[in-house]
Amino acid sequence: DAKTTQPNSMESNEEEPVHLPCNHSTISGTDYIHWYRQLPSQGPEYVIHGLTSNVNNRMASLAIAEDRKSSTLILHRATLRDAAVYYCILIRGDTGKLIFGQGTTLQVKP
Amino acid sequence: NAGVTQTPKFQVLKTGQSMTLQCAQDMNHNSMYWYRQDPGMGLRLIYYSASEGTTDKGEVPNGYNVSRLNKREFSLRLESAAPSQTSVYFCASRSQVTSSYNEQFFGPGTRLTVL
Repeated sequence: DAKTTQPNSMESNEEEPVHLPCNHSTISGTDYIHWYRQLPSQGPEYVIHGLTSNVNNRMASLAIAEDRKSSTLILHRATLRDAAVYYCILIRGDTGKLIFGQGTTLQVKP
Repeated sequence: NAGVTQTPKFQVLKTGQSMTLQCAQDMNHNSMYWYRQDPGMGLRLIYYSASEGTTDKGEVPNGYNVSRLNKREFSLRLESAAPSQTSVYFCASRSQVTSSYNEQFFGPGTRLTVL
């Protein structure tokens, strides 16, 4: 499975946008980019996924570089409830197996 | 619709004891997964079941066994617990085996301490 690299931690102010980067230089053509987040003392929850095109949903946006070697999760207006560990994960479509790295711990300041 | 449920929420074992962690989902999902999460780390896949009647090893299967009892239930057994198995255990389920849409739904976790 291809690896991802994320910063260990990031800080943001409440109500401001947050851009969480992820590098995946060894991504293959069939790898989908998934983002999960884990709130304190909870199981992970799905945020968003994409293959080549940018994606938007009610939680966030995913911007994927043209060469697909990096991506950015965008939270448009951070709230205190968005403080969590965010995981960027590459998945081959037919395996269903999630390989978690250490993720980025996002702190949101009031 | 309870989603994914896990029992127990907390458990303390002595070294060498055995126990079974239970997981059930009510979303009619085909695939189910067991992960462990050590402090400050990401989750690691222990075992998974792509469909009823099948199970496969993940990254860290040693010391564990699993049973896919039916489509709803997937249990994880520790035959002889060791302190290295102290961790938080998460169960997850997913609707499709072969799909790009990989949303997995996670349970609340079981916090296990082995003394």
